[in-house]
Amino acid sequence: GAVVSQHPSWVICKSGTSVKIECRSLDFQATTMFWYRQFPKQSLMLMATSNEGSKATYEQGVEKDKFLINHASLTLSTLTVTSAHPEDSSFYICSAGTVEYGYTFGSGTRLTVV
Amino acid sequence: DAKTTQPPSMDCAEGRAANLPCNHSTISGNEYVYWYRQIHSQGPQYIIHGLKNNETNEMASLIITEDRKSSTLILPHATLRDTAVYYCIVRGGGAGNNRKLIWGLGTSLAVNP
Repeated sequence: GAVVSQHPSWVICKSGTSVKIECRSLDFQATTMFWYRQFPKQSLMLMATSNEGSKATYEQGVEKDKFLINHASLTLSTLTVTSAHPEDSSFYICSAGTVEYGYTFGSGTRLTVV
Repeated sequence: DAKTTQPPSMDCAEGRAANLPCNHSTISGNEYVYWYRQIHSQGPQYIIHGLKNNETNEMASLIITEDRKSSTLILPHATLRDTAVYYCIVRGGGAGNNRKLIWGLGTSLAVNP
C-alpha cells in the first residue's frame, strides 16, 4: 500500500516550452503533497508544499510563477515547469504523507531542457 | 525539526551487516527518527522509523540510544542491491503527514562483492 505514481519518468523539452509532471496517490488520499528538486550528487531540496483545494506554499527562492502547482483532488497533484530553460534541468520528485510510513515518494522525473 | 549528522560514505562487504550511524543530538521529545534510502535516479524509499524503542521490520533494524541523541540503522545481510544513499531524518508532529522534511546529504553506502 501507499504507492505514489509519478509520470513521466523522463522528459526532454526545448527551451521556452512548458512541461507538466503528474503525481498520483494510488491507494490513499493525500491532502498534502511535496515537490522536490535534486541536482546531481546533491540532496533533495523542497520546492513547495501542495495542499488540496488551496494554493501551494513555496519555499524561499522558488518562483511560484515558473513552477505552477495544482492539487485539484485528493489523489492528484501536478507541477508545471513553465518556459523551461537548461538550468531547470534536474530530477523532480513528489511525495505524499501517510500515517503508517510517514512519507512515500514517486519514482522521480528526469527533466532535460535543450 | 532537529538536524542530523551522518558520515558521507561507508563500505560494506556483501552478506555482512551494514551499520549506519546518525547523530541527532538536538532531537526533542516528540520527534521521530525516519530512515529512507535512495538508489541512483529513483525516488527515496521508506525503510523504518521509530520514536524511543528499537524497531525491526523486513528491511532493517533501528537502534535508538536511550538518550535518543543518536541512532543506528542495521541492514543485517547487505546485498549489492542495498548500495544507495541512506538518509536519517528527524521529524516532529507524530506520524502526521503534513510536516516538511529537511534532507541532509546522507550516507552513500557501497556494498562490495
